[in-house]
Amino acid sequence: DAGVIQSPRHEVTEMGQEVTLRCKPISGHDYLFWYRQTMMRGLELLIYFNNNVPIDDSGMPEDRFSAKMPNASFSTLKIQPSEPRDSAVYFCASSFTGGGTDTQYFGPGTRLTVL
Amino acid sequence: GENVEQHPSTLSVQEGDSAVIKCTYSDSASNYFPWYKQELGKRPQLIIDIRSNVGEKKDQRIAVTLNKTAKHFSLHITETQPEDSAVYFCAASALYSSASKIIFGSGTRLSIRP
Repeated sequence: DAGVIQSPRHEVTEMGQEVTLRCKPISGHDYLFWYRQTMMRGLELLIYFNNNVPIDDSGMPEDRFSAKMPNASFSTLKIQPSEPRDSAVYFCASSFTGGGTDTQYFGPGTRLTVL
Repeated sequence: GENVEQHPSTLSVQEGDSAVIKCTYSDSASNYFPWYKQELGKRPQLIIDIRSNVGEKKDQRIAVTLNKTAKHFSLHITETQPEDSAVYFCAASALYSSASKIIFGSGTRLSIRP
């Protein structure tokens, strides 16, 4: 298995633009997580899905952020409009079972820079 | 809600010595405690985990201990090597009915001096 796949690996955009980050979880994993990592705030859980259904989105910072999982092999995290403070590394992770109580496999991350 | 505190934020040890990183958590319902290692520019990767029904777990040079009464758990790395240099994150997770919450500590940057 190729592991969790994320695209793009790097994204540079201007303030106000829409940004879409993509993730393909490991085949057979029922849970998918989106994280944001910054120096100031560390690693933050934004939202997670179980069987394509959002379970907990309490970590989503504000309405500018949205996430979808239309099928078991694809998820998106969208920021619209983007702001400089959204600059961070965004990780997607998946796990086989157990939500947050099972091993999570992280993707390589997307480094987002908003100018 | 859950809060996870991790100490120290930075740690430098001589190669061959041991390193200890400590975490405390607030939610008594937490029952899963993973540790992740993140090398510079890479993704976090699980190195060891422990569940609340055991007090200690070892995997070669790495061990984790859990004290549920005191709500703290620790990572122990013995005979440190240069490749142990990385940022280490602890986390605590509790399963509530249909959802679970995982909270990460703020990380410890471990440097191994040659």
